Amino acid sequence: GQQLNQSPQSMFIQEGEDVSMNCTSSSIFNTWLWYKQDPGEGPVLLIALYKAGELTSNGRLTAQFGITRKDSFLNISASIPSDVGIYFCAGQLGAGGTSYGKLTFGQGTILTVHP
Amino acid sequence: NAGVMQNPRHLVRRRGQEARLRCSPMKGHSHVYWYRQLPEEGLKFMVYLQKENIIDESGMPKERFSAEFPKEGPSILRIQQVVRGDSAAYFCASSPQGESGYGYTFGSGTRLTVV
Repeated sequence: GQQLNQSPQSMFIQEGEDVSMNCTSSSIFNTWLWYKQDPGEGPVLLIALYKAGELTSNGRLTAQFGITRKDSFLNISASIPSDVGIYFCAGQLGAGGTSYGKLTFGQGTILTVHP
Repeated sequence: NAGVMQNPRHLVRRRGQEARLRCSPMKGHSHVYWYRQLPEEGLKFMVYLQKENIIDESGMPKERFSAEFPKEGPSILRIQQVVRGDSAAYFCASSPQGESGYGYTFGSGTRLTVV
């Protein structure tokens, strides 16, 4: 089945630093999504990418959808303490059929921000 | 404007008992997805349902697990004869249609502990 490899597994940074994490896949996805999960909560959507090569920003977050449709990265600029959490990439086939809405998640990147 | 409501938030069951997890989708959403998250892992797709129909259950274990989304009332994920390995966080997501990752809204999850 499809697998998403997300790296790094964890990051420890100082407040104000920039962060970069990425996700690669052995399969093509037509939609890439980045989520953040706080302890004890469900994932919250940060950015959605729909076109190969697309670069999208949401405040201090920037994400890109790779040209091959097999990878994506997420950057967080000028990190703040509330950025702490687990970040997940997720791929969606989105090509029709019963698997259309199903998401395949990466293993997550645990981000710790020291004040 | 309530989000996806899951209950209970925490559930403790002894081995061999049944666990029932409930998910009320957002108002106007008719598509429900269930995911399971083991400790320190990403979410894994289990089942996709529309009202009164199971669309994709490719991620559901063949035995002991079942899901329904009746015409009236919440979606139910049922685990019979629970074992220690069923201990995990179970998340429900809903969308107004099945096709769009951007329309996914996750609940806060049910944390099942089997003792």
